[in-house]
Amino acid sequence: AQTVTQSQPEMSVQEAETVTLSCTYDTSESDYYLFWYKQPPSRQMILVIRQEAYKQQNATENRFSVNFQKAAKSFSLKISDSQLGDAAMYFCAYMTQGGSEKLVFGKGTKLTVNP
Amino acid sequence: DAGITQSPRHKVTETGTPVTLRCHQTENHRYMYWYRQDPGHGLRLIHYSYGVKDTDKGEVSDGYSVSRSKTEDFLLTLESATSSQTSVYFCAISEGRGGLSGTQYFGPGTRLLVL
Repeated sequence: AQTVTQSQPEMSVQEAETVTLSCTYDTSESDYYLFWYKQPPSRQMILVIRQEAYKQQNATENRFSVNFQKAAKSFSLKISDSQLGDAAMYFCAYMTQGGSEKLVFGKGTKLTVNP
Repeated sequence: DAGITQSPRHKVTETGTPVTLRCHQTENHRYMYWYRQDPGHGLRLIHYSYGVKDTDKGEVSDGYSVSRSKTEDFLLTLESATSSQTSVYFCAISEGRGGLSGTQYFGPGTRLLVL
């Protein structure tokens, strides 16, 4: 079974600085998808960014980008120019290609942004 | 934002009583999912549906049942609620046609307290 590990339960960053959240996963499959979700205090789960495993190019969405290392099974999230509104829990998730397309989540990283 | 609503948003109930949570979508998406979120565990899949009357178990399905009689509604029932089912419950939907159309979008969550 696939597993997703987020080794940093908590992280903090100064406003306007850059922070990187780590995620590793375990799978024997070659085709899959990876996601980062944000959960602010409102508890709403918000999709931040997604990556197809067959694409070598790292996904970017405005201030959010990923460093996808397929051989190392690593999928880190970089937040540039951190803003107070970025403070949230961040969850890394894995999805198999095809089949039931179920998501497997990591346990999350709580990000604090200091003014 | 995907059109997903959950009801009720908050519920307090007593041990041994049945509870039904409702997820309603306006996106006509094929796949629907129920997750629970507990501290230290991230989100874990309870049950999912890949079409009307088509459902399957997830990682933590014991004590839960689901039904889907219409594309837009997915019901989660706790047949006899226990204190261990105190949690925040999230519904999610996806188109499920392969590739990134499998991306899941989440409802606002239901906070359930079982006394």
